[in-house]
Amino acid sequence: AQSVTQLDSQVPVFEEAPVELRCNYSSSVSVYLFWYVQYPNQGLQLLLKYLSGSTLVKGINGFEAEFNKSQTSFHLRKPSVHISDTAEYFCAVSTVSSNTGKLIFGQGTTLQVKP
Amino acid sequence: GAGVSQSPSNKVTEKGKDVELRCDPISGHTALYWYRQSLGQGLEFLIYFQGNSAPDKSGLPSDRFSAERTGGSVSTLTIQRTQQEDSAVYLCASSTQSGDTQYFGPGTRLTVL
Repeated sequence: AQSVTQLDSQVPVFEEAPVELRCNYSSSVSVYLFWYVQYPNQGLQLLLKYLSGSTLVKGINGFEAEFNKSQTSFHLRKPSVHISDTAEYFCAVSTVSSNTGKLIFGQGTTLQVKP
Repeated sequence: GAGVSQSPSNKVTEKGKDVELRCDPISGHTALYWYRQSLGQGLEFLIYFQGNSAPDKSGLPSDRFSAERTGGSVSTLTIQRTQQEDSAVYLCASSTQSGDTQYFGPGTRLTVL
C-alpha cells in the first residue's frame, strides 16, 4: 500500500520570503507524484506533477518540486511567496502500474502568508 | 472550456435520509473519480469509473454508498440512510484517461444533522 506524509500541518511565512512544504511517501512500487492547491471553498487545482524524466519539476504560480527517490521525498518550494499563495496544499501519489490512477493524498499543509 | 461541475454546492439533510450528489465531468473525459474530504480522514478515494468498464468501488466506506455513471458522462453518488459521520465535502474529478491529470470540481458540502 502507498502512503503520503506531509510533515507540517501549518507553515506561517512572511510575504516575499521563500517557503518549502515537505512531502514524503512510502511505496513498494513506482509512483507518480503530484502537488495540488486548494483555495477556500474551492476544489483542488494541480500545481505540478512528476511522471518521469527530470527530477526538478516546475509548475504554475512559480512553484517547483524536486523528486528524490532515495529519500522518497517530493518537497514543494517557492523562492518568494505572495499573500495570494495562502491556501492548503496537498501532496499525492498514484502508482505507475495502477489501472485506475486513483490518488492517495497527504493530510495537507496550510500555508499562511503574512504581510 | 467548462470545468467539472457539481451540484448542489451545499446540502443539509437529516440523519436517516437519502441524498444524491451530482457530477458533470469535462466533456470528453472518460475517467471519473469521487473523493471525500473530511476533517478526521483527510482526502479519501471513493470510486472510479472508466468508460464502460466495471467501476473500482474499493474506496466506498459502506454499502450505504453507491454511484452510477450514465452514458459515460454524468455521475451520481447516492448515500442512503445518512449518518452524521457522512458529513464531508464530496469532490468529483475527471481525466482524459486513467492516470492522467485529474481536474477537480468545487465539491458538494454535505452536512448531516
